[in-house]
Amino acid sequence: TQLLEQSPQFLSIQEGENLTVYCNSSSVFSSLQWYRQEPGEGPVLLVTVVTGGEVKKLKRLTFQFGDARKDSSLHITAAQPGDTGLYLCAGARTGGGADGLTFGKGTHLIIQP
Amino acid sequence: DTAVSQTPKYLVTQMGNDKSIKCEQNLGHDTMYWYKQDSKKFLKIMFSYNNKELIINETVPNRFSPKSPDKAHLNLHINSLELGDSAVYFCASSQTWAYEQYFGPGTRLTVT
Repeated sequence: TQLLEQSPQFLSIQEGENLTVYCNSSSVFSSLQWYRQEPGEGPVLLVTVVTGGEVKKLKRLTFQFGDARKDSSLHITAAQPGDTGLYLCAGARTGGGADGLTFGKGTHLIIQP
Repeated sequence: DTAVSQTPKYLVTQMGNDKSIKCEQNLGHDTMYWYKQDSKKFLKIMFSYNNKELIINETVPNRFSPKSPDKAHLNLHINSLELGDSAVYFCASSQTWAYEQYFGPGTRLTVT
């Protein structure tokens, strides 16, 4: 069974600070995705990384896929209260997600004004 | 214009009952999924299904069964509900060759 270890599990910081969330595995994934989930809603896809070493930016969010495709990180610059939410990393084993995604346990992020 | 929808949003029922949750997607995707999210927010795949193949997570009890009347729908039937089935159930869809999955809003099931 492939596992994704996500850390930290909880993070509360002040507005304007930077933060990094990590997603690690001992297994290789064909892709890693990051989702954000708001209370009472389903996860919403933020980004997909496919190539080892790939870096993608989404405004103040920077996503990186490890060279060996076993780990990923999410870095938020100058965090805003609107960034508050549950961040989930998820890996696909095969070249599509047809057999479902393996999720990390999530990072509960709170940005205090 | 909802992409993946689920009904009902909330479901409260007693132990031993049989219930169904419906899911519909209007994205034209050919693969659909059911996930279970526990009280600690951990999401776990239960089933993935397209018109050719059903992949079942080996840990899912056979009281749970997906039924797909067509490509746009994947319903989840649960027999003989147990207290431990209480969770939020999410439907998702994707193109089989794609990585990205799109999730519904979830159904919170409470078994009393």
